[in-house]
Amino acid sequence: DAGVIQSPRHEVTEMGQEVTLRCKPISGHNSLFWYRQTMMRGLELLIYFNNNVPIDDSGMPEDRFSAKMPNASFSTLKIQPSEPRDSAVYFCASRRATEAFFGQGTRLTVV
Amino acid sequence: SQQGEEDPQALSIQEGENATMNCSYKTSINNLQWYRQNSGRGLVHLILIRSNEREKHSGRLRVTLDTSKKSSSLLITASRAADTASYFCATDAGGGGADGLTFGKGTHLIIQP
Repeated sequence: DAGVIQSPRHEVTEMGQEVTLRCKPISGHNSLFWYRQTMMRGLELLIYFNNNVPIDDSGMPEDRFSAKMPNASFSTLKIQPSEPRDSAVYFCASRRATEAFFGQGTRLTVV
Repeated sequence: SQQGEEDPQALSIQEGENATMNCSYKTSINNLQWYRQNSGRGLVHLILIRSNEREKHSGRLRVTLDTSKKSSSLLITASRAADTASYFCATDAGGGGADGLTFGKGTHLIIQP
C-alpha cells in the first residue's frame, strides 16, 4: 500500500484565496483525521471522520474551514478565504483500529 | 485542545545514553500511543500501551503507564544519532478507532554523536 497520500506537498497562496488540501487514506481504513501543526500550538486535531461521517469538528478554528469526505478513499480540507495565520503544516491520517498512519503533510504558506 | 503534554519540551543527550520523555494527560483513556516525527515528515507510530497495562517493551523502547497519575513515560535505551526526532504521546479515548486521537506538543530529542 502506498500509505496516506496528501496533495499538494507545498502550497503558497495569497491572502483571501481559497485553498483546498486533499487526502487519500489507506484502503480499508475507516477513520480519517485532519491535523494542523505549528510551532506555537503543536499538533491540533481539526476534524475526524468515521465511515465517511464527520464525528467531531470542534477543532475547526473558524467557519472559513470546511472538510468533506464524499467517499472512503478521498477527503478534502478547504480554507476560504485564507489568512496568513493559517500558515502551517496540515496532516491527514487514517486508521482502522488503534494505530494511525500519517501522510507527509501539506506545508501551507499564506502571504 | 491538547490532551497530552510532553515533558521536557527539548532534550539533548550524548549517543549511547538513555533518553526519558514523559507525558501527562487529563481524561480517561483506552490506550496511549507514542509517535515519532522526523523533521519535515509525518508522524510514525512507535508503540501502544493499553489502560490495563503498566509497562511495555519494543526493542530499545520501554513505555510505562500510570493511570492513577494520568502519566506515561517513554524510555529509549542506548540512544543513537538516528533517534534524533520529535516524540509525541497521543491519547485515545475509544477502542475501536471511532474516536479522535489527541496529541501533545512533543519532546524534541537531539542525540549528540
